[in-house]
Amino acid sequence: NAGVTQTPKFRVLKTGQSMTLLCAQDMNHEYMYWYRQDPGMGLRLIHYSVGEGTTAKGEVPDGYNVSRLKKQNFLLGLESAAPSQTSVYFCASSYPRLAGGSDTQYFGPGTRLTVL
Amino acid sequence: TQLLEQSPQFLSIQEGENLTVYCNSSSVFSSLQWYRQEPGEGPVLLVTVVTGGEVKKLKRLTFQFGDARKDSSLHITAAQPGDTGLYLCAGHPYSGGYQKVTFGTGTKLQVIP
Repeated sequence: NAGVTQTPKFRVLKTGQSMTLLCAQDMNHEYMYWYRQDPGMGLRLIHYSVGEGTTAKGEVPDGYNVSRLKKQNFLLGLESAAPSQTSVYFCASSYPRLAGGSDTQYFGPGTRLTVL
Repeated sequence: TQLLEQSPQFLSIQEGENLTVYCNSSSVFSSLQWYRQEPGEGPVLLVTVVTGGEVKKLKRLTFQFGDARKDSSLHITAAQPGDTGLYLCAGHPYSGGYQKVTFGTGTKLQVIP
Protein backbone atom coordinates (compact mmCIF):
# COMPACT_ATOMS: atom_id res chain seq x y z
CA ASN A 1 0.00 0.00 0.00
CA ALA A 2 1.96 3.02 -1.29
CA GLY A 3 -0.70 5.66 -0.54
CA VAL A 4 -0.26 8.68 -2.81
CA THR A 5 2.74 8.79 -5.12
CA GLN A 6 3.93 11.60 -7.38
CA THR A 7 6.32 11.65 -10.31
CA PRO A 8 8.70 13.27 -10.92
CA LYS A 9 10.12 14.49 -7.59
CA PHE A 10 12.10 17.33 -9.14
CA ARG A 11 12.01 19.07 -12.51
CA VAL A 12 13.59 22.12 -14.09
CA LEU A 13 11.89 23.65 -17.12
CA LYS A 14 12.62 26.56 -19.40
CA THR A 15 9.94 29.17 -19.97
CA GLY A 16 7.49 27.95 -22.60
CA GLN A 17 8.18 24.24 -22.16
CA SER A 18 5.41 21.83 -21.25
CA MET A 19 5.25 18.97 -18.80
CA THR A 20 2.85 16.62 -17.03
CA LEU A 21 2.91 15.71 -13.35
CA LEU A 22 1.49 12.32 -12.48
CA CYS A 23 -0.32 11.46 -9.26
CA ALA A 24 -1.39 7.93 -8.36
CA GLN A 25 -3.30 6.63 -5.33
CA ASP A 26 -4.05 3.05 -4.31
CA MET A 27 -6.66 3.77 -1.61
CA ASN A 28 -9.67 3.73 -3.94
CA HIS A 29 -10.43 7.36 -3.08
CA GLU A 30 -13.06 9.19 -5.10
CA TYR A 31 -11.66 12.69 -4.63
CA MET A 32 -8.28 13.89 -5.85
CA TYR A 33 -6.69 17.33 -5.74
CA TRP A 34 -3.71 19.30 -6.98
CA TYR A 35 -2.23 22.06 -4.81
CA ARG A 36 0.70 24.38 -5.09
CA GLN A 37 2.66 25.51 -2.05
CA ASP A 38 4.57 28.77 -2.00
CA PRO A 39 6.39 30.36 0.97
CA GLY A 40 4.02 32.22 3.28
CA MET A 41 0.94 31.31 1.27
CA GLY A 42 -0.02 27.89 2.56
CA LEU A 43 -1.59 25.41 0.15
CA ARG A 44 -3.67 26.72 -2.73
CA LEU A 45 -6.00 24.46 -4.68
CA ILE A 46 -5.35 24.37 -8.43
CA HIS A 47 -7.86 21.78 -9.69
CA TYR A 48 -9.73 18.89 -8.17
CA SER A 49 -11.78 15.86 -9.19
CA VAL A 50 -14.74 14.23 -7.47
CA GLY A 51 -14.61 11.10 -9.57
CA GLU A 52 -13.27 9.39 -12.67
CA GLY A 53 -13.85 11.51 -15.76
CA THR A 54 -14.67 14.70 -13.81
CA THR A 55 -12.54 17.74 -13.04
CA ALA A 56 -13.19 21.22 -11.64
CA LYS A 57 -11.29 24.46 -11.11
CA GLY A 58 -9.91 25.43 -7.74
CA GLU A 59 -8.57 28.72 -6.45
CA VAL A 60 -5.64 29.17 -8.89
CA PRO A 61 -6.38 27.18 -12.10
CA ASP A 62 -4.90 29.52 -14.74
CA GLY A 63 -2.03 28.00 -16.74
CA TYR A 64 -2.85 24.43 -15.68
CA ASN A 65 -4.97 21.61 -17.06
CA VAL A 66 -5.91 18.28 -15.51
CA SER A 67 -7.31 14.94 -16.50
CA ARG A 68 -8.72 11.99 -14.55
CA LEU A 69 -9.15 9.17 -17.04
CA LYS A 70 -8.70 6.48 -14.39
CA LYS A 71 -9.91 6.62 -10.79
CA GLN A 72 -6.44 6.06 -9.38
CA ASN A 73 -4.62 8.66 -11.49
CA PHE A 74 -4.81 12.46 -11.64
CA LEU A 75 -2.59 14.31 -14.11
CA LEU A 76 -1.58 17.96 -13.93
CA GLY A 77 -0.35 19.60 -17.13
CA LEU A 78 1.51 22.81 -17.78
CA GLU A 79 1.19 23.68 -21.47
CA SER A 80 3.57 26.65 -21.51
CA ALA A 81 5.50 26.99 -18.27
CA ALA A 82 6.16 30.42 -16.76
CA PRO A 83 8.53 31.44 -13.94
CA SER A 84 5.47 32.23 -11.79
CA GLN A 85 4.72 28.50 -11.80
CA THR A 86 7.91 27.74 -9.88
CA SER A 87 6.55 26.03 -6.79
CA VAL A 88 6.15 22.76 -4.93
CA TYR A 89 3.16 20.81 -6.20
CA PHE A 90 1.23 18.40 -4.00
CA CYS A 91 -1.36 15.87 -4.96
CA ALA A 92 -3.89 14.63 -2.40
CA SER A 93 -6.80 12.22 -2.28
CA SER A 94 -9.72 11.56 0.04
CA TYR A 95 -13.08 9.89 0.42
CA PRO A 96 -16.16 12.01 -0.40
CA ARG A 97 -16.82 14.76 2.12
CA LEU A 98 -20.29 14.96 3.64
CA ALA A 99 -21.92 18.38 3.58
CA GLY A 100 -20.87 20.29 6.69
CA GLY A 101 -18.31 17.64 7.52
CA SER A 102 -14.62 17.21 6.90
CA ASP A 103 -12.38 14.69 5.27
CA THR A 104 -8.85 13.47 5.72
CA GLN A 105 -6.58 14.47 2.90
CA TYR A 106 -3.76 12.06 2.10
CA PHE A 107 -0.91 13.91 0.46
CA GLY A 108 1.87 12.77 -1.84
CA PRO A 109 5.51 13.73 -1.21
CA GLY A 110 5.43 16.65 -3.65
CA THR A 111 7.12 17.70 -6.89
CA ARG A 112 9.55 20.60 -6.78
CA LEU A 113 9.31 22.49 -10.08
CA THR A 114 11.60 25.30 -11.16
CA VAL A 115 10.85 27.31 -14.29
CA LEU A 116 13.78 29.35 -15.59
CA THR B 1 -12.43 34.08 0.00
CA GLN B 2 -12.09 32.91 3.61
CA LEU B 3 -8.67 33.64 5.09
CA LEU B 4 -6.89 31.72 7.82
CA GLU B 5 -4.03 33.59 9.43
CA GLN B 6 -1.52 31.65 11.45
CA SER B 7 0.85 33.09 14.02
CA PRO B 8 3.66 33.11 14.55
CA GLN B 9 4.98 32.50 11.07
CA PHE B 10 8.29 31.16 12.37
CA LEU B 11 9.25 29.78 15.76
CA SER B 12 12.64 28.53 16.92
CA ILE B 13 12.78 27.13 20.45
CA GLN B 14 14.94 24.93 22.63
CA GLU B 15 14.01 21.35 23.38
CA GLY B 16 11.79 21.15 26.46
CA GLU B 17 10.09 24.52 25.99
CA ASN B 18 6.33 24.99 25.56
CA LEU B 19 4.74 26.81 22.64
CA THR B 20 1.38 27.81 21.22
CA VAL B 21 0.44 28.31 17.57
CA TYR B 22 -2.68 30.24 16.60
CA CYS B 23 -5.03 29.97 13.63
CA ASN B 24 -7.48 32.87 13.24
CA SER B 25 -10.24 33.83 10.84
CA SER B 26 -13.19 36.18 10.61
CA SER B 27 -15.21 33.32 9.11
CA VAL B 28 -17.07 30.53 10.88
CA PHE B 29 -16.09 26.94 10.08
CA SER B 30 -17.94 23.67 10.57
CA SER B 31 -14.68 21.99 11.49
CA LEU B 32 -11.00 22.70 11.58
CA GLN B 33 -8.03 20.46 11.01
CA TRP B 34 -4.34 20.63 11.88
CA TYR B 35 -1.69 19.09 9.66
CA ARG B 36 2.07 18.71 10.15
CA GLN B 37 4.44 18.75 7.22
CA GLU B 38 8.05 17.60 7.55
CA PRO B 39 10.74 18.81 5.14
CA GLY B 40 10.46 17.09 1.76
CA GLU B 41 7.14 15.46 2.63
CA GLY B 42 3.45 16.17 2.18
CA PRO B 43 1.20 17.31 5.07
CA VAL B 44 -0.13 14.65 7.42
CA LEU B 45 -3.37 15.09 9.36
CA LEU B 46 -2.95 15.41 13.14
CA VAL B 47 -6.46 16.14 14.34
CA THR B 48 -9.96 17.34 13.40
CA VAL B 49 -12.00 19.48 15.82
CA VAL B 50 -15.71 19.84 15.11
CA THR B 51 -17.43 21.33 18.17
CA GLY B 52 -17.03 24.93 19.40
CA GLY B 53 -14.85 24.88 22.54
CA GLU B 54 -13.65 21.35 21.85
CA VAL B 55 -10.25 20.34 23.21
CA LYS B 56 -8.37 17.33 21.87
CA LYS B 57 -5.07 15.95 23.09
CA LEU B 58 -2.55 13.95 21.13
CA LYS B 59 0.30 13.04 23.50
CA ARG B 60 2.09 16.37 24.14
CA LEU B 61 -0.07 18.28 21.64
CA THR B 62 -3.30 20.00 22.73
CA PHE B 63 -5.73 21.37 20.13
CA GLN B 64 -8.60 23.73 20.87
CA PHE B 65 -11.43 24.98 18.66
CA GLY B 66 -12.70 28.43 19.59
CA ASP B 67 -16.19 28.79 21.06
CA ALA B 68 -17.27 30.86 18.05
CA ARG B 69 -15.70 28.34 15.62
CA LYS B 70 -13.54 31.05 14.05
CA ASP B 71 -10.19 30.19 15.55
CA SER B 72 -8.06 27.38 16.89
CA SER B 73 -4.85 26.88 18.80
CA LEU B 74 -2.20 24.20 19.02
CA HIS B 75 -0.17 23.95 22.22
CA ILE B 76 2.92 21.76 22.46
CA THR B 77 4.29 20.85 25.87
CA ALA B 78 7.98 20.07 26.30
CA ALA B 79 8.79 20.31 22.59
CA GLN B 80 11.05 17.66 21.08
CA PRO B 81 13.24 17.86 17.95
CA GLY B 82 10.79 15.45 16.32
CA ASP B 83 8.12 18.18 16.52
CA THR B 84 10.07 20.22 13.96
CA GLY B 85 8.03 20.93 10.87
CA LEU B 86 5.44 23.16 9.23
CA TYR B 87 2.07 23.23 10.99
CA LEU B 88 -0.97 24.02 8.83
CA CYS B 89 -4.56 24.58 9.87
CA ALA B 90 -7.41 23.98 7.43
CA GLY B 91 -10.95 25.29 7.82
CA HIS B 92 -14.00 23.50 6.41
CA PRO B 93 -17.07 25.59 5.60
CA TYR B 94 -20.65 24.65 6.47
CA SER B 95 -21.76 24.66 2.88
CA GLY B 96 -20.36 24.58 -0.58
CA GLY B 97 -18.10 22.18 -2.28
CA TYR B 98 -14.58 21.20 -1.37
CA GLN B 99 -13.16 24.16 -3.26
CA LYS B 100 -14.11 26.36 -0.32
CA VAL B 101 -11.78 24.63 2.15
CA THR B 102 -9.08 27.04 3.24
CA PHE B 103 -5.54 26.24 4.39
CA GLY B 104 -3.73 28.58 6.73
CA THR B 105 -0.48 30.33 5.93
CA GLY B 106 1.54 27.92 8.08
CA THR B 107 3.81 28.08 11.14
CA LYS B 108 7.34 26.80 10.70
CA LEU B 109 8.61 25.30 13.96
CA GLN B 110 12.23 24.44 14.70
CA VAL B 111 13.07 22.64 17.94
CA ILE B 112 16.76 22.82 18.76
CA PRO B 113 18.24 19.90 20.73
